[in-house]
Amino acid sequence: GDSVTQMEGPVTLSEEAFLTINCTYTATGYPSLFWYVQYPGEGLQLLLKATKADDKGSNKGFEATYRKETTSFHLEKGSVQVSDSAVYFCALSSIFGNEKLTFGTGTRLTIIP
Amino acid sequence: EAGVVQSPRYKIIEKKQPVAFWCNPISGHNTLYWYLQNLGQGPELLIRYENEEAVDDSQLPKDRFSAERLKGVDSTLKIQPAELGDSAVYLCASSTGLAHNEQFFGPGTRLTVL
Repeated sequence: GDSVTQMEGPVTLSEEAFLTINCTYTATGYPSLFWYVQYPGEGLQLLLKATKADDKGSNKGFEATYRKETTSFHLEKGSVQVSDSAVYFCALSSIFGNEKLTFGTGTRLTIIP
Repeated sequence: EAGVVQSPRYKIIEKKQPVAFWCNPISGHNTLYWYLQNLGQGPELLIRYENEEAVDDSQLPKDRFSAERLKGVDSTLKIQPAELGDSAVYLCASSTGLAHNEQFFGPGTRLTVL
């Protein structure tokens, strides 16, 4: 079945550091890929998405590129801020069967001033 | 535009008691999902509705869990009786149902079973 493997956390970085959170997937067919973010006390919010190979999703300075050859969708940001502290979830939605989201385990990110 | 509304936000019950969670999706969203999120894990789908029809309930433990979406809008998820292992966050999400479309999540209900 479909699965998402996500970089183990927690991750602690200093403000303005470069961020990478690794995500790889296993799926039948051609899934869509997502990054969701969960800020403290809030619900999951879509951060960015990509629906086909080589697409780059971007939002709020975050980027991720859909790499079919390596089945990866790594999240990157060039300069993190304290406000980026949250839990980040990589997810996929397969076009085969239903449209449920299959999530990774989440990566807790803490940014220190 | 109002987001997905869930209530209650927190619920503490003793084992073997029943409990119910309510969800109001975003207006116009035909597809509604209930997910279970255990501590330190990503959400896992319990059930998906297209309008009032449950189109995927394969992961719903039907011996104790039930759900309904009678008029294709609001939905209720019930557990009867609750067990200690049911302590988790129950998330509701909705979408337009179009392929690859974003799912919008509510804040969740945190259930503690004592």
